[in-house]
Formats: sequence, structure tokens, C-alpha cells
Amino acid sequence: ETGVTQTPRHLVMGMTNKKSLKCEQHLGHNAMYWYKQSAKKPLELMFVYNFKEQTENNSVPSRFSPECPNSSHLFLHLHTLQPEDSALYLCASSQDEGQGFWTQHFGDGTRLSIL
Amino acid sequence: EDQVTQSPEALRLQEGESSSLNCSYTVSGLRGLFWYRQDPGKGPEFLFTLYSAGEEKEKERLKATLTKKESFLHITAPKPEDSATYLCAVQAYSGAGSYQLTFGKGTKLSVIP
Repeated sequence: ETGVTQTPRHLVMGMTNKKSLKCEQHLGHNAMYWYKQSAKKPLELMFVYNFKEQTENNSVPSRFSPECPNSSHLFLHLHTLQPEDSALYLCASSQDEGQGFWTQHFGDGTRLSIL
Repeated sequence: EDQVTQSPEALRLQEGESSSLNCSYTVSGLRGLFWYRQDPGKGPEFLFTLYSAGEEKEKERLKATLTKKESFLHITAPKPEDSATYLCAVQAYSGAGSYQLTFGKGTKLSVIP
């Protein structure tokens, strides 16, 4: 496989369920990201991992919990979500050289629906 | 606060009718401006990066340009397969040694045969 792969592609869950989203990148990059994309709104950065260390957490509610076990894999653990959390969740990766010159490559996302 | 505004929100073109999409930005310490294409049900696909005012890049029917305040994505003689949402993002220093992308809401382009 090549690029950035996200699973599952679609997820329907109740507000009391616990589920996880998975992202895997095959590009040899050292940074990974979670974004939320809602209708009529810009992509919102949620979390950034650089060399497996979380470097950004943009005021995301604690019901979203990221995990990055290595530089190729990224998870987003979900629990007790709200209806407004229904959105497309996108994973991205980049090669961060430390000087701010990089390009992010995205997966095709997980479409999450909260009942 | 960094801001990115894309216009128009939606654009319908006849096949072969050239036009431009606009991305205006206010950001301190711009490192790069990115254009992405997003098809329905897919993630954003990278198109171009522009780093400095005056820079231009081309790919097939698309040409991206950059000034100090805005970027244009020119589409020459578009085809129906160019229909997609085009996203603009700016990369700037966000503090503590990190750089973040700030995205616009996108322009939905429809090319009618």
C-alpha cells in the first residue's frame, strides 16, 4: 500500500459507545495529524504528533484521545461523543524538517455519525 | 489570528470557460501557501506549494500565483473532471517551534459539459 490509509471509512456509533479510528502512513514521514472536517467549515486541526510526541492539542475535548505508538501509526480513541462530533475525520502525515517547509498528505478520512 | 478567505464559495463554469479562484490571507510569518483539491468522499489531494510573492506554478490546466496578500488558482479551459472543491491553506509559525496549516472553507467548482 502507498500513501495514507484510514480505517474504517464509515462509522456509526451511539453516544455511549467507545470506538477507535486508525491511520497508517507508508510515506516514511515523521509527523502525523488529526483534522476534523465539518460541513461549511474549514478543516480544524485537532492533534499533531512529531517523532511520536504530541506537540499540539488545539483545545480538543477529552472525549477524543489520540495515540501514536510509532511514526507510521496514529489512532483516535472516541468515547461518549456528542451529535456535533459527527464529521469527516482526516489523518495527514508530513516530513517535518524542523524549519517549517513541508507538505501534508491526507488520507480519505473516516465519516463518523453519532446517533 | 491567522485568517484564510476563499471566494467564491461556489463556481459553475461551462466546459472550456476559463476562470480564477481567489484565496486571501492575513498571517504573520508566512512559510508557504498550499492548494489542495478534494473530491467528494475523499481526502484533500496536494496540488501546489507557493513560498514567495511572485511565484507561479502550473499543472495541466491549473496555474497558481501568489502575492503578498492573496493567491489565485487559474483554471484554463476546464473539463468536467476538474469539478471538485479546491482548498487553500497557509502555513505559519504557531509558536513553540511548530508550524500549522490554516485552511479556508474552499471553493466548490462545477464544470458543466
